[in-house]
Amino acid sequence: DTGVSQNPRHKITKRGQNVTFRCDPISEHNRLYWYRQTLGQGPEFLTYFQNEAQLEKSRLLSDRFSAERPKGSFSTLEIQRTEQGDSAMYLCASSLSSLQGSEQFFGPGTRLTVL
Amino acid sequence: SQQGEEDPQALSIQEGENATMNCSYKTSINNLQWYRQNSGRGLVHLILIRSNEREKHSGRLRVTLDTSKKSSSLLITASRAADTASYFCATGIKTSYDKVIFGPGTSLSVIP
Repeated sequence: DTGVSQNPRHKITKRGQNVTFRCDPISEHNRLYWYRQTLGQGPEFLTYFQNEAQLEKSRLLSDRFSAERPKGSFSTLEIQRTEQGDSAMYLCASSLSSLQGSEQFFGPGTRLTVL
Repeated sequence: SQQGEEDPQALSIQEGENATMNCSYKTSINNLQWYRQNSGRGLVHLILIRSNEREKHSGRLRVTLDTSKKSSSLLITASRAADTASYFCATGIKTSYDKVIFGPGTSLSVIP
């Protein structure tokens, strides 16, 4: 399967703990995106990368959130000192950059539950 | 804040009928995309329409874009039960080539 993969698929943690999620994009894609989605809402943009460079981070994103894409391939999203409000589905997507926009391919997501 | 807003929030139709969903947005865009999400499953890209295009077709899907009204519509013809899903418009921000902002979605139920 050469699609976008995310691990773990589910994560249950206690408030205050740190969690890290991994995303493996489609190999030839240079853009990688992270989104957060809660029930009944559309995906909310968190951050995105072109190769290893982080292009933008949402202003709504707390300093507890950090993302990396060290070699321009896989990416990790870390949430420090988790709060119950962080409970959501975390989605990763990848694409080939294009001046006029391009289709994003989504992974299955990591569902985070903070107790 | 979200850039795009879909209308209606929920839509229920009989199998075989057409379904129309609308999306309005606020700022200038490079492109507008529609995605589908089945219950408990991932997002799937349906169609991308560029800002200089007015209409695009893909199978039973027809998308229109009116940049003067900052709106788009997605038409699904001859709907099937398998079309039951949430549909999201995602607007490509003009100042950021590939960043898109998703709306809250339209929940479509197709009754067999």
